[in-house]
Amino acid sequence: DAGVIQSPRHEVTEMGQEVTLRCKPISGHDYLFWYRQTMMRGLELLIYFNNNVPIDDSGMPEDRFSAKMPNASFSTLKIQPSEPRDSAVYFCASSRTLTGGTDTQYFGPGTRLTVL
Amino acid sequence: AQSVTQPDIHITVSEGASLELRCNYSYGATPYLFWYVQSPGQGLQLLLKYFSGDTLVQGIKGFEAEFKRSQSSFNLRKPSVHWSDAAEYFCAVGQLQGAQKLVFGQGTRLTINP
Repeated sequence: DAGVIQSPRHEVTEMGQEVTLRCKPISGHDYLFWYRQTMMRGLELLIYFNNNVPIDDSGMPEDRFSAKMPNASFSTLKIQPSEPRDSAVYFCASSRTLTGGTDTQYFGPGTRLTVL
Repeated sequence: AQSVTQPDIHITVSEGASLELRCNYSYGATPYLFWYVQSPGQGLQLLLKYFSGDTLVQGIKGFEAEFKRSQSSFNLRKPSVHWSDAAEYFCAVGQLQGAQKLVFGQGTRLTINP
C-alpha cells in the first residue's frame, strides 16, 4: 500500500491568501484525522472524520479553518485567510474500524506550511 | 482529561548505550498507549502499542516498552542504540473504544554521540 499521501509537501504563501492542503488516506480506512504540529503546542488534533462525516472538530482553531471529505479517498483542509501564526506542519492520518475498537493511526509525511 | 507527559525534552546517549525514554499519562479508563518516532522532515511512524495483555510490548527496530499501571507510565527502552535512532519520539494515549482521539506528549529529541 502507498500509505497516507499528502500534498503539497511544502507550501509558502502570503498572509491573507487561501491555502488548501490535501490528503489521500489508506484504502479501506474509514477514519481520517488532521493534526497540526508546532514547536509551541506540539501535535494537536484538529478534526476527524468517520465514513466521510466530520465527527469532532473541536480542535479547529477558528472559522478560518475548514475541512471536507467528499469521498472515502480524499480530504482537504482549507485555511482562508491564512495568517503567519498558521505556519506549522499539518499531518493527515487514517485508521480503520476493527472489532472491539479501532486500529493504529497511520500518518502521512505532512505538509510544511509557511505563511509570510 | 487525557494528558501525556514526557519529562525529557532532549536526551543524548552514546552509540551502543542503552536507552530509556520516559512517558507518564493521565487517563480515567484503560488506555491505549503508543510510541511513535519522527525522523527529521518525516511523518510519524509507529514503534509499538499497548492495548491489553502482557505489559511488556515489543516493537520495531529493537524497541520495547513496559506498561506500569501503578505508576501511570509507559517507558520506551532499547538495549543498544544505533546512530540511525536519532529522531524525535512521541508517546501518545488514546481511548480503548471508538475512534482514536490521540493525545500526544511534547516529544523527546534523541541525539546519538558516535
